Amino acid sequence: SYVLTQPPSVSVAPGQTARITCGGNNIGSKSVQWYQQKPGQAPVLVVYDDSDRPSGIPERFSGSNSGNTATLSISRVEAGDEADYYCQVWDSNSDHRGVFGTGTKVTVL
Amino acid sequence: EVQLVESGGGLVQPGRSLRLSCATSGFTFDDYAMHWVRQAPGKGLEWVSGISWNSDNIAYADSVKGRFTISRDNSKNSLYLQMNSLRTEDMALYYCAKDTLHYFGVSGSAFDIWGQGTVVTVSS
Repeated sequence: SYVLTQPPSVSVAPGQTARITCGGNNIGSKSVQWYQQKPGQAPVLVVYDDSDRPSGIPERFSGSNSGNTATLSISRVEAGDEADYYCQVWDSNSDHRGVFGTGTKVTVL
Repeated sequence: EVQLVESGGGLVQPGRSLRLSCATSGFTFDDYAMHWVRQAPGKGLEWVSGISWNSDNIAYADSVKGRFTISRDNSKNSLYLQMNSLRTEDMALYYCAKDTLHYFGVSGSAFDIWGQGTVVTVSS
C-alpha cells in the first residue's frame, strides 16, 4: 500500500515560515490534500489538489508538489497555527483508497 | 449551515457488532461522496471507507475490509457504517466526512466538511 511520511514535529517562531513535507513515491503525480487539526477538534481542510485553498482559508497557507515530496508552507506564522497537520492522497493503484500521512505537530515558539 | 452529526458509538466487546450513523443537513446530500475516517487515541488519521453519491463506487481500508460495510440512504440524508467482528484495534473516534465531489479518489476529491465524531470503545 502507498505510504506517506511526514516529520513528527516542526518548530517555528511567530512571523516566520513553517514548511511541512510529505514524502511518497512519485507523489508529484498525485493530488495532495492538507488538513489542520487542533486539539479536541475535527480536522479542517486547508489545501486541496496540491495548492488550492478552500474559501475561508488564509493565503498564508500554500502548497506545492513535485517529484517525491509535497510541501505545505505557512507564512507569517501565528500562535493560532499551532496544530497537527496531515497530508492525504488517493491511492489509484488500490481502489482509490484514501491514505493519510503520519502527521506533523507544528509548534509556535 | 452544513452539519454532520455522528451517532451510534459506544462500548462493545471484541467480536461484537456496532452500527454508526451520520445525519447530515445544510447541503444536497446525494450530490456528494461520503467517507468514514477514524483516529485512535493519541494517533493519526486513518481513512476507513468511502462511498460515491449513488453507492456504485465503494472502497475500504485493508484493515476493515470484509468486516465493515458502508452504506447511505439519500432519502434520509444519512450515512452508515456497519462494523462487525470488532477488534481492540478498531477502538477510535470515528468521523463522518463529506467529499467535495460526486466520486472520490480523483483530482479535486477531498474531505471538506467533518463531523465531531463518535467514540467506539472495544473492550471485554
